[in-house]
Amino acid sequence: DIVMTQSPDSLAVSLGERATINCKSSQTVFSTSSNKNYLAWYQQKPGQPPKLLIYWASTRESGVPDRFSGSGSGTDFTLSISSLQAEDVAVYYCQQYESTPWTFGQGTKVEIK
Amino acid sequence: QVQLQESGPGLVKPSQTLSLTCTVSGASISRAGYYWSWIRQRAGKGLEWIGRFYTGGTSDYNPSLKSRVTISLDTSKNQCTLRMSSVTATDTAVYYCARGRQLDPYFDYWGHGTLVTVSS
Repeated sequence: DIVMTQSPDSLAVSLGERATINCKSSQTVFSTSSNKNYLAWYQQKPGQPPKLLIYWASTRESGVPDRFSGSGSGTDFTLSISSLQAEDVAVYYCQQYESTPWTFGQGTKVEIK
Repeated sequence: QVQLQESGPGLVKPSQTLSLTCTVSGASISRAGYYWSWIRQRAGKGLEWIGRFYTGGTSDYNPSLKSRVTISLDTSKNQCTLRMSSVTATDTAVYYCARGRQLDPYFDYWGHGTLVTVSS
C-alpha cells in the first residue's frame, strides 16, 4: 500500500495569512504514461463529508476559491491557502489514486490563530 | 446535481453482517465509465477506502477488508450496496459512498455518511 503522510498534524494561522500543508507518499504517484500525478486534496468540516478541492495535484475543482492551490510532483505535494478565511477552518486530507488500495493521509487540522 | 444518500441500520451486533445502501439521484448508476466506492471514517480517525464497483461490472477491495466485503449495484433502484460480514467493534464508523470516474479516479461526489455502531 502507498502510505500518505501529512505534516503538520495541525496548524493555527492568522486570518489573511498563508497556510501550507505537506503530503508525502511512500512511493511515487506520478504516472509516466499519463504524465499526471494521481493526488487529490479534500476539505472536511465537522459533521460534513469530505469535499474535493484539488485533483491531479494542482487542478482546482470547479467552484473552489482560487486561494486554494496545489503543487508538487512524484512523492512530495503541498496544499496552500493563500489568505486564510474563517470558513477554511477544517481538516484537510490528501489522497493518492495511483494504485489500489487508494489511501489517504491522516489529515491536517487548520485553525485560526 | 448528483446526490448520494447512504442508509441502513445504525446499530449492528458483533459477528453479524452490516448492510448499507447508497441511493443515487441526478445520475444513472449504470452509466459507463463510472465507479462507486465506499469509504469509512472511524471516530477521530482518518479516511479508509473500503472498495469500489465499476459500472463495467468489476469490483475491487481494500485487501485489509476484502475477505469480509462485497459491493454491488442495483441498477433498477439506482443503488449501490455494501455488505460487510463478521463485524466487530472496530467496524464502528461513519460510512460514506462516493463517486469517481474511470479516467478521473478521485472522488467528486460524496454522500453525507451514515454512522454504524457495532455493539451488543
